[in-house]
Amino acid sequence: AQTVTQSQPEMSVQEAETVTLSCTYDTSESDYYLFWYKQPPSRQMILVIRQEAYKQQNATENRFSVNFQKAAKSFSLKISDSQLGDAAMYFCAYRSTGANSKLTFGKGITLSVRP
Amino acid sequence: ETGVTQTPRHLVMGMTNKKSLKCEQHLGHNAMYWYKQSAKKPLELMFVYSLEERVENNSVPSRFSPECPNSSHLFLHLHTLQPEDSALYLCASSQDRTAPEAFFGQGTRLTVV
Repeated sequence: AQTVTQSQPEMSVQEAETVTLSCTYDTSESDYYLFWYKQPPSRQMILVIRQEAYKQQNATENRFSVNFQKAAKSFSLKISDSQLGDAAMYFCAYRSTGANSKLTFGKGITLSVRP
Repeated sequence: ETGVTQTPRHLVMGMTNKKSLKCEQHLGHNAMYWYKQSAKKPLELMFVYSLEERVENNSVPSRFSPECPNSSHLFLHLHTLQPEDSALYLCASSQDRTAPEAFFGQGTRLTVV
């Protein structure tokens, strides 16, 4: 079974600084998707970034980028130029490519941004 | 109105009550999901519907009863719940069961007293 581990329950970053959130996962499959979701106080899960395992190039979305290390099964999220609106819970998630696949989430990490 | 909408946002119910959670998606998706989010735990997938047919039930107690009358609407009927069922219930949808991305609603915060 696939598992997703986020070992840091909380992190804090100064506004305008850079922070990296860690995630590791376990799978025996070679092709899959990885995601970072953001859950602000409004509670809605918002997709931040997606990575396909077959792509070697790390995904980027504006201030958000990932460091995908397939051999190490590591998938960290880097937030550059942190803003107050980045404060939220962040969830790492995994999904295989099969028709019956489902999203598997980590426990999440609470990110606070200091003004 | 776009996206995935859940009502109510908050619900307090007694253990003998019967209530329903509603989810509506305006994205033209064919798959819909119910998740349970408890504090300090990963999201737990409860039910999966594809083209209005339930395709997955992850050992959820029968006091939770899902219903999908059409591809845009999903309900979760609740009866004789326990205090440990208090949680955030999230609805999500995706283009189909093979689509990698899921889109979530804002959830219903349920408290069982």
